[in-house]
Formats: sequence, C-alpha cells, structure tokens
Amino acid sequence: AQSVTQPDIHITVSEGASLELRCNYSYGATPYLFWYVQSPGQGLQLLLKYFSGDTLVQGIKGFEAEFKRSQSSFNLRKPSVHWSDAAEYFCAVGARSGNTGKLIFGQGTTLQVKP
Amino acid sequence: KAGVTQTPRYLIKTRGQQVTLSCSPISGHRSVSWYQQTPGQGLQFLFEYFSETQRNKGNFPGRFSGRQFSNSRSEMNVSTLELGDSALYLCASSFGGASGYNEQFFGPGTRLTVL
Repeated sequence: AQSVTQPDIHITVSEGASLELRCNYSYGATPYLFWYVQSPGQGLQLLLKYFSGDTLVQGIKGFEAEFKRSQSSFNLRKPSVHWSDAAEYFCAVGARSGNTGKLIFGQGTTLQVKP
Repeated sequence: KAGVTQTPRYLIKTRGQQVTLSCSPISGHRSVSWYQQTPGQGLQFLFEYFSETQRNKGNFPGRFSGRQFSNSRSEMNVSTLELGDSALYLCASSFGGASGYNEQFFGPGTRLTVL
C-alpha cells in the first residue's frame, strides 16, 4: 500500500540550531516527493519538491531535502532554524502519471522553536 | 495572480444537516482536489475534479460528493453530517495534466464544526 511515514510527531529545537525532519515512503515506483509547511489557521505552502535529477533539492526559506532511493527517504533539513519556522511540516508523495491530482501525506511533524 | 479561495472559512452545523463548501481555483487551473484534515487521521484525499469530471476518488463514504463547474470552480457537499466530519477541508488547484509535474496550490481551508 502507498504510505508516507513521518516518525517524529513533535520536535523541539533551539533557535539557531540545525534541523532534520524525517520522511519515509512506500510506493510502487519512485513518486514525486514534496514537503509542505502549514502555519496555524493556514493552508499548505510548498517548501520544495523532487521529481528527478539531483537528489539534493533546495527550497524556499533556506530548506533543503535529500532523496535517498535505497532508503525510500526524503528528509528535510535546515542548517539554522529561525523562530518563524515553528509550524507543522508535511511530507507527501504524488504519482508521476494517472492519479496526478492525489497526494498522500504523512501524519505531520510539529516543530517548536525555543528562543 | 489571486490564490485559491475557499468559502466559507468557518462553518458550524448540527448532526444530520448537510453542507456545501466552495473552492475557486487559480485562474487557468483546471484541476481541483479536496482533502480532509483531522487531528486523528491527518490529511486525506477526498476527490479530484478535472474539466468537470471526477478523475480520482479517495476512500470516503458516498455522503461526500463534489462537482466542478465549467469555470473550474468546485463545490463539495457532505450530507447527513456526523460528529466525525468536523475537520479542516482544504482544496488545491493545479493545471492538471495527466502526466508530468502538476504543482498543487492550496487554499486556506474551511473549518467545519459539527455539533
């Protein structure tokens, strides 16, 4: 079955510290991979995406993610966290053809930033 | 360019009633997808409409239905509301090609509370 797992429900980091959010997926073939962020009361904003090529992708707000096919992982990283990064982060996968309108999301990781 | 808009933003209904939510996609986008977000189940795909036709459907009971109009605006309807239908309903729009990458842009959501 297709699924996305974000093992960490809640993470707390100090401002200025580095961050890594984990994401593992189960899918028939290599899907499109996404990270979204959701602030309270808001919709989802796309941080970055992977669909081919370089396995290290850069996104907005200083985020990057690395696709590792052998581990079926797509972990999100940021070298130095800012207080404004506190939000909920979702990893998602999407089909390359056919069901292109359907994203499968992980359960989300809530990031808290300590001053 | 205006983003995805959803109306209303907040809604309170009682069990047994029905509700209609509206989504206006970004101009030029022909695909609208709907998602339900709850604390327990996370983000789950409801259905996708493309060119007025339902193209994909998630695992929800028949009480959940939708439609899309010729201007790509979409509505979703939930009949015979249950307490468990309380959720944030998000819609996302994209150009909607059958293959290749279609970035989905999310609206702010409609918060439905069922009493």
